[in-house]
Amino acid sequence: NAGVMQNPRHLVRRRGQEARLRCSPMKGHSHVYWYRQLPEEGLKFMVYLQKENIIDESGMPKERFSAEFPKEGPSILRIQQVVRGDSAAYFCASSPSSGGYGYTFGSGTRLTVV
Amino acid sequence: AQSVTQLDSQVPVFEEAPVELRCNYSSSVSVYLFWYVQYPNQGLQLLLKYLSGSTLVESINGFEAEFNKSQTSFHLRKPSVHISDTAEYFCAVSEGDDMRFGAGTRLTVKP
Repeated sequence: NAGVMQNPRHLVRRRGQEARLRCSPMKGHSHVYWYRQLPEEGLKFMVYLQKENIIDESGMPKERFSAEFPKEGPSILRIQQVVRGDSAAYFCASSPSSGGYGYTFGSGTRLTVV
Repeated sequence: AQSVTQLDSQVPVFEEAPVELRCNYSSSVSVYLFWYVQYPNQGLQLLLKYLSGSTLVESINGFEAEFNKSQTSFHLRKPSVHISDTAEYFCAVSEGDDMRFGAGTRLTVKP
């Protein structure tokens, strides 16, 4: 029973390119969450999705960032026209439902924009 | 909306000493509370959680946390730390569908 799978583990992009980060939740989990972690800043909530629906995107930057969780396949966090400030670790988490179950986290994708 | 404050960004301690990592939260409704641990270059792992019932919860590796509703706190404690406890610790609060994390406390255990 694999945990939350994120790939790639490391991603290097030049300024202006697109970054695609993938997250496969644990089997049986229908809730997916994306967080961004910057050094010394802790975890910042970005977006909460269920299958084919964005439930809460209050933490997503208004431009260049988008997320999806299709009926089939992994959740995708997409960053268009990356800038140096997008360099961070991006973590995906999943849960079977809301509230008290807690989240299971993936190992993260470390994005470096050069 | 809920929020979490971790009062110490860094806590250095010597091996076998006791430690307390402080966490306060704010919420207008009943909440679930969590502590997560992050080792270098890894994701977060659930350490322990409070949902209801006994206000003292324990993890399998000797950590415990006590929910104090009147002080809106959920401090994490361990009576005797090991070198292997060196990590970043995150307190989190959930009101329902989403979870908010504190900024983290870096625990460094020195020999």
